[in-house]
Amino acid sequence: DARVTQTPRDKVTEMGQEVTMRCQPILGHNTVFWYRQTMMQGLELLAYFRNRAPLDDSGMPKDRFSAEMPDATLATLKIQPSEPRDSAVYFCASGLGLWDYNTDTQYFGPGTRLTVL
Amino acid sequence: GENVEQHPSTLSVQEGDSAVIKCTYSDSASNYFPWYKQELGKRPQLIIDIRSNVGEKKDQRIAVTLNKTAKHFSLHITETQPEDSAVYFCAASTRGDKLIFGTGTRLQVFP
Repeated sequence: DARVTQTPRDKVTEMGQEVTMRCQPILGHNTVFWYRQTMMQGLELLAYFRNRAPLDDSGMPKDRFSAEMPDATLATLKIQPSEPRDSAVYFCASGLGLWDYNTDTQYFGPGTRLTVL
Repeated sequence: GENVEQHPSTLSVQEGDSAVIKCTYSDSASNYFPWYKQELGKRPQLIIDIRSNVGEKKDQRIAVTLNKTAKHFSLHITETQPEDSAVYFCAASTRGDKLIFGTGTRLQVFP
């Protein structure tokens, strides 16, 4: 049963520190999404990639956030410097992104719970 | 851009009753509508989805209906059980594109 994996599962850091979150999409999936979940904002899209190319990062504060896909099996989300308002659960999701073949379902990873003190 | 509204925000039902959650979307180009269930501390998990070329889809106790003209879709859960208690999210997207989520419905099923 293939699953999206994320590391770390929990991260506590102090304000100003760099945070890196990693995601391994399901093998063969060509689309990777980063979502942030907070009680106040719900589930919001930060950025997504198709075939490793960034398609949309309009939901991401670009002065401190950056997202990359160094290769097809790894996506990273970095925050530098981190702030208390970045505290949230960050989910990665992957999919095949092929609507015409009914294979555009997105599968979520377990999330990284980030706490910035 | 797309905007998805979801109602109600909380829903309490007695075990065995039905539960209905409704969502509306703004972008007529949206053609994929999944529903996710999220239990406390867990990842969102897809429970059912529907594409714009069908009006209804059913999977055991769960069904989803889509009205493209009115731009709304609904989740129906029949014979609810305590394990159905969770937060349910609707979403909309266009052809494998980014999902825009509703704000979630917290469903509580009382024994």
